[in-house]
Amino acid sequence: DSGVTQTPKHLITATGQRVTLRCSPRSGDLSVYWYQQSLDQGLQFLIQYYNGEERAKGNILERFSAQQFPDLHSELNLSSLELGDSALYFCASSAIIAGGTDTQYFGPGTRLTVL
Amino acid sequence: AQSVAQPEDQVNVAEGNPLTVKCTYSVSGNPYLFWYVQYPNRGLQFLLKYITGDNLVKGSYGFEAEFNKSQTSFHLKKPSALVSDSALYFCAVMMDSSYKLIFGSGTRLLVRP
Repeated sequence: DSGVTQTPKHLITATGQRVTLRCSPRSGDLSVYWYQQSLDQGLQFLIQYYNGEERAKGNILERFSAQQFPDLHSELNLSSLELGDSALYFCASSAIIAGGTDTQYFGPGTRLTVL
Repeated sequence: AQSVAQPEDQVNVAEGNPLTVKCTYSVSGNPYLFWYVQYPNRGLQFLLKYITGDNLVKGSYGFEAEFNKSQTSFHLKKPSALVSDSALYFCAVMMDSSYKLIFGSGTRLLVRP
């Protein structure tokens, strides 16, 4: 158990809908990262927050947005869902922002199925 | 652009034999290298990382990896494989100027009894 929690575990929804994925980082971790794992794209970085502020952006669609709250939990919002958005979404957290010395610990993921 | 290659989709090994899962990277600057393992229906678990220093890094569950700068490789190794090591293994690189992990495509390790 990494200490990172994600809810829900599974989500099934229809095209055009909007969903929210939630992540609680490990105790004391200030950075939260979101990744998408799909069969065709593999594991891709979406976005990073540090202590409530957006710090890095990857291949995140405009239909997707995220935020980190004062209690450090984070939410990933996916809207106007398409079939291709079906994937496993991971949240990870690390202690501080400084470069590659900080190991990212991953949550169990949320499996999103868009029908 | 930074990239990570895992040339083998699957590695098969008999229990008790040594295993190697290959990883090569292409980056400019100093890379930070990671190995993660993913079991079915589970998240990614951190195994080990190379930041600087000794080229041989020891990690969890008896795994180790050797950083080779001239060959731009970071192969994962274990002297004696267990059936329970069967899983999906990901190599990842992080540049010292960014925070995102760039993952390889993954290698499925199958250890047969």
